[in-house]
Amino acid sequence: AQTVTQSQPEMSVQEAETVTLSCTYDTSESDYYLFWYKQPPSRQMILVIRQEAYKQQNATENRFSVNFQKAAKSFSLKISDSQLGDAAMYFCAYRRGRNKLVFGAGTILRVKS
Amino acid sequence: DTGVSQDPRHKITKRGQNVTFRCDPISEHNRLYWYRQTLGQGPEFLTYFQNEAQLEKSRLLSDRFSAERPKGSFSTLEIQRTEQGDSAMYLCASSRDLNTGELFFGEGSRLTVL
Repeated sequence: AQTVTQSQPEMSVQEAETVTLSCTYDTSESDYYLFWYKQPPSRQMILVIRQEAYKQQNATENRFSVNFQKAAKSFSLKISDSQLGDAAMYFCAYRRGRNKLVFGAGTILRVKS
Repeated sequence: DTGVSQDPRHKITKRGQNVTFRCDPISEHNRLYWYRQTLGQGPEFLTYFQNEAQLEKSRLLSDRFSAERPKGSFSTLEIQRTEQGDSAMYLCASSRDLNTGELFFGEGSRLTVL
């Protein structure tokens, strides 16, 4: 069974600085998708960024980028120029094909002004 | 269309009562998922549908839980004889039937069992 591990229960960052959230996963598959989702307090979960495993290039979305290390099964999220609105719970997730998403336990990100 | 909607947003019930949650997915999405999330944890998969067919159920979905998606549109999740351990946020998500299909989540239905 696939598992997703987020080893940082909580992280803090100063506004305008950079923070990296860690994620590792376990799979025997070669073709899959990885995601970072953001869940603000009392609000719905939204997709931050997606990475296809067959692509070597790391995905980027504005201030958000990933460091995808397929051999190491590592998928970290870097948030640059952190803003107060980035404060949320961040979940790393794995998906193979059309199947279900498997989530990690999450990392709470606090942004200090 | 404004996204995935769930109803009710919060339900308080006494142990032993039955509860039902409803999810209305984004209209063109043929896949619908139910997840359960307890405080401070990641969502745990319960079940999913492609159109009206229920394709997979987690072992978390005991015989007290039943989910339906008649006509492949909205879905309901019913919990019979609720227990305090059922207290959680129940999340619904929908997606297109694509390998790269992003899941769009609703705001969730929070269940409190007293």
